[in-house]
Amino acid sequence: ETGVTQTPRHLVMGMTNKKSLKCEQHLGHNAMYWYKQSAKKPLELMFVYNFKEQTENNSVPSRFSPECPNSSHLFLHLHTLQPEDSALYLCASSQVTYDTGELFFGEGSRLTVL
Amino acid sequence: AQSVSQHNHHVILSEAASLELGCNYSYGGTVNLFWYVQYPGQHLQLLLKYFSGDPLVKGIKGFEAEFIKSKFSFNLRKPSVQWSDTAEYFCAVNAGGNNDMRFGAGTRLTVKP
Repeated sequence: ETGVTQTPRHLVMGMTNKKSLKCEQHLGHNAMYWYKQSAKKPLELMFVYNFKEQTENNSVPSRFSPECPNSSHLFLHLHTLQPEDSALYLCASSQVTYDTGELFFGEGSRLTVL
Repeated sequence: AQSVSQHNHHVILSEAASLELGCNYSYGGTVNLFWYVQYPGQHLQLLLKYFSGDPLVKGIKGFEAEFIKSKFSFNLRKPSVQWSDTAEYFCAVNAGGNNDMRFGAGTRLTVKP
């Protein structure tokens, strides 16, 4: 049990589908993140939410749309994805203070785009 | 923004061998440094972290890392690896005061029994 729960764990979708990934953290943290993990590449930071406000968007294509309704929940809405978007999508949370910044990760959602 | 380089993509060792995984970062200011580990089929979890103070940091399972500011490095070490250390290891950096955590590409460690 990591304190960060992601669903679904596996998702297969066509390029014209619309789906969503869900993340919930039970740690009382005030920041949540989406990362993309592809083989042999650094984890790519996609989105950061501090206190429910988006503070980082690293040039992510608009076919990925995040939503953070409260500090415990984070969604990633997916629409008209490309096969190269197939990857493991990781959600993380942290308590944002100057001296910490440690991330707590979920187990990931494995996405395959056909 | 800061970036992280991990020099070894795949390291294969026998049990009881010593381990050192390289990590270099590029950022001129104050940084917080981390090593995360991902065991097969499991989530990323923190191995150790450096914020300030003693540059030699000890983590879980006998791992340690040394921050050398002049070399922008934060190498991970373990004197004697075990088969159960087989995993992928990620170095990460964030600039103090923000939550933009950048990761290296990871090093896959295989320990042969």
